[in-house]
Amino acid sequence: GEDVEQSLFLSVREGDSSVINCTYTDSSSTYLYWYKQEPGAGLQLLTYIFSNMDMKQDQRLTVLLNKKDKHLSLRIADTQTGDSAIYFCAENPSNTGKLIFGQGTTLQVKP
Amino acid sequence: DGGITQSPKYLFRKEGQNVTLSCEQNLNHDAMYWYRQDPGQGLRLIYYSQIVNDFQKGDIAEGYSVSREKKESFPLTVTSAQKNPTAFYLCASSMPGLQVNSPLHFGNGTRLTVT
Repeated sequence: GEDVEQSLFLSVREGDSSVINCTYTDSSSTYLYWYKQEPGAGLQLLTYIFSNMDMKQDQRLTVLLNKKDKHLSLRIADTQTGDSAIYFCAENPSNTGKLIFGQGTTLQVKP
Repeated sequence: DGGITQSPKYLFRKEGQNVTLSCEQNLNHDAMYWYRQDPGQGLRLIYYSQIVNDFQKGDIAEGYSVSREKKESFPLTVTSAQKNPTAFYLCASSMPGLQVNSPLHFGNGTRLTVT
């Protein structure tokens, strides 16, 4: 079945790198997504990766994709207090547009 | 500016009452979605609509109803049959079909509290 798994919580110090991990099940997803949710708000698309890529870098964000293991990660370099939020990964099974989301990882950044 | 507007931001209702949450988009997207968010459970799909006058049940449709009479609008009614209606409700839209990369664009959510 379709399932996306994430760890629930990560705490880092300001200036450190954060790595948020995700595993997914559907190999038909052409794109995989990372969303950010700040308190009381909706989800904001952070970045995405095409399934035939291993890595995508966008400023402080690096997405790594291991398609064989169905493992996706988001690395945030030089983490700032403004990065404190919930981060969701999502797959798009059979490219239907009905995204399947993980439970979300709460990132806490300590000054 | 294009976007998705959900209203109201906070909604309070007594048990047994139906309540309708509004979602409007001006992105000209064909598809619209309603998700429910509970702490530690991520997002669960309630209903979705890929085109006007058509909609399908998601994973947790029981106790909810929707309509899609206009492309821009996809209201969600939480009925008295929904056993645990207190949650954060998120509306989203996308443009699937024309392109494979079809991320969802989200509104800012409505927090519903039923007592």
